[in-house]
Amino acid sequence: EIVLTQSPGTLSFSPGEGATLSCRASQSVSSYSLAWYQQKPGQAPRLLVYGASTRATGIPDRFSGSGSGTDFSLTISRLEPADLAVYYCQQYGSSPMTFGQGTRLDIK
Amino acid sequence: EVHLLESGGGLAQPGGSLRLSCAASGFSFSFSAMTWVRQAPRKGLEWVANIGSSGEATYYADSVKGRFTISRDNSKNTLYLQMNNLRAEDTAVYYCATSTWAMTSYFGSWGLGTLVTVSS
Repeated sequence: EIVLTQSPGTLSFSPGEGATLSCRASQSVSSYSLAWYQQKPGQAPRLLVYGASTRATGIPDRFSGSGSGTDFSLTISRLEPADLAVYYCQQYGSSPMTFGQGTRLDIK
Repeated sequence: EVHLLESGGGLAQPGGSLRLSCAASGFSFSFSAMTWVRQAPRKGLEWVANIGSSGEATYYADSVKGRFTISRDNSKNTLYLQMNNLRAEDTAVYYCATSTWAMTSYFGSWGLGTLVTVSS
């Protein structure tokens, strides 16, 4: 089973700043099979990025995914108060599919 | 617009059973693989089970294998999760979601979830 470790655990930001969230895999994730989700308080998760770098439909270009192998990242530029959420990475390159433990984005 | 609505959650005793349903609309359900993902209180996400578009291919997390059964009725646009021999650690919000592929995939659209509580 591939274990995904996300860092930092919590990130505090001021509106307008940028942030980079990290997701590190215990083994290489095949074929860029890495997705990112956003979960706002009290809501279901929402797909942001799949294939490590492809934005899902309707996701603004402020959200950008990158990486390969064991190291992936999600960069959010021009942070807005609406970006307050927990962000999860997920690998689907091998079974069982696994999620990281999440990074919480808080407003300073 | 994709719409997924879970139902069937509630309180069950340890060793008991529940059946969750997920009513789908707004897309070609019969051509879409589907998944169940759960989230324990104040915890992260855990994949539970996947099913192919025809229902013949199913895949389970080790934590539920032999106890949970995923199925679908394409004539009713509905996904199911039969949960037997429930344990306290099965307590979670259960989400259904669309899945691009049957075996491993990312999950494009999610329902709002239904809460399952296992307690005596």
